[in-house]
Amino acid sequence: GIQVEQSPPDLILQEGANSTLRCNFSDSVNNLQWFHQNPWGQLINLFYIPSGTKQNGRLSATTVATERYSLLYISSSQTTDSGVYFCAAERLTGGGNKLTFGTGTQLKVEL
Amino acid sequence: GAVVSQHPSRVICKSGTSVKIECRSLDFQATTMFWYRQFPKQSLMLMATSNEGSKATYEQGVEKDKFLINHASLTLSTLTVTSAHPEDSSFYICSARRGPITGELFFGEGSRLTVL
Repeated sequence: GIQVEQSPPDLILQEGANSTLRCNFSDSVNNLQWFHQNPWGQLINLFYIPSGTKQNGRLSATTVATERYSLLYISSSQTTDSGVYFCAAERLTGGGNKLTFGTGTQLKVEL
Repeated sequence: GAVVSQHPSRVICKSGTSVKIECRSLDFQATTMFWYRQFPKQSLMLMATSNEGSKATYEQGVEKDKFLINHASLTLSTLTVTSAHPEDSSFYICSARRGPITGELFFGEGSRLTVL
């Protein structure tokens, strides 16, 4: 199956700073999603982005499918941005489709 | 975004008992739902894929007789942990696919199971 790697594993930012999280995947994908897992465990959908660029407020994401990576940009970070960020990728196959998660980036934003 | 509801959010049970977790897509129909398990400070691991009206497909290493999955309708999937033991304690999260075969997945709130 597809392999998904994320970097960095941990990140500490001062409030107001910008950051870039990276997601590499081992094969071409039909689905690429970014999530934020809050302290209660809920996964919040950030982007559905198998290719191209999207923006939502202070967050934006870019997937370069031909080079097998995706980036999540967080600008003007806030303490509420803290948590774990996961990317997950899926490739359409005859054996069934499934979303495979990366190992996550633990983000802590400090005052 | 779409809403997926999972219940219960927390459950504590005695060893040997069975626990049922429900996953509902509230504002869309989902032909496919997925069940994941997450250990502390780790990523999500897919347990099984649940297709409406057919048997679930389990990932390698997941005991199908231990984790019973039923997808009785287009809006409801259930996971039953049978004869639970302390090692089954974990965070279980369901998801539902909206739209086409590689459409966006939406996740429930998760269920934290503690087996005493």
